[in-house]
Amino acid sequence: KAGVTQTPRYLIKTRGQQVTLSCSPISGHRSVSWYQQTPGQGLQFLFEYFSETQRNKGNFPGRFSGRQFSNSRSEMNVSTLELGDSALYLCASSLVGVTDTQYFGPGTRLTVL
Amino acid sequence: KQEVTQIPAALSVPEGENLVLNCSFTDSAIYNLQWFRQDPGKGLTSLLLIQSSQREQTSGRLNASLDKSSGRSTLYIAASQPGDSATYLCAVNRNSGNTPLVFGKGTRLSVIA
Repeated sequence: KAGVTQTPRYLIKTRGQQVTLSCSPISGHRSVSWYQQTPGQGLQFLFEYFSETQRNKGNFPGRFSGRQFSNSRSEMNVSTLELGDSALYLCASSLVGVTDTQYFGPGTRLTVL
Repeated sequence: KQEVTQIPAALSVPEGENLVLNCSFTDSAIYNLQWFRQDPGKGLTSLLLIQSSQREQTSGRLNASLDKSSGRSTLYIAASQPGDSATYLCAVNRNSGNTPLVFGKGTRLSVIA
C-alpha cells in the first residue's frame, strides 16, 4: 500500500508570495490533517479535512487555508508569505479522523526569503 | 489548555542499553496517546497508540505505558540499537469529540555504537 505523498518536497519563496502544497493520502483514508513544524514551536495543528469538509481548525491566521477533493487529496495554501512561515509542513491521513492512528507524509520544507 | 512535555530534550546512550523516554500532559481527560518517531528531515512514523482505557501497549522492543490519572506516559526501548537514533514524540487527543493531537516537542535520542 502506498504511503502518504506530499509535493513538492522543497520550496523557496519570497515574502508576499503565495504557495500551494499538496497531499495525497493513503488509499481509503478519508481524513487529512495538516501540521506546521518549527524548531521553536514544535508541531502545531493547522486543520483537518474529512470528506471534503473542514472538521477542525487550529489557531493560525486566515492566510492559511486548505481544501479537500472528492478523491481525498488535499491542498493547503498560504497567502502573503512571511519569514515566520518557514517550516516543515506535514500532512497526515487516517481512516476516520484525528483520534485514529495517523500516517504522516515526508513533509514539504518551505523556506521564505 | 492541554500541554505536553517531554523530558529530557536529548539523550545519548551506548548501544545495548535499555532506556525510558518520558511524556507528561496537563489534562488527564484524554481519548488516547500516541508515540511517534521522526528521523531528521522526514515525516513521523506511528509507533504505538494507547487508548485511555489501556495501561500499556507493546510492539517488538518497544513498550509504552499510560498512567492517565497522573498525566504520564513512558516509552521503554529494550536493547537499544544505533538504528533507534531519532526524535521521539508523544501526542494526546482530548477526550471531547474529534479534537486534534497535541504534541510534545520530542526527545532526540542518539544510540552510540
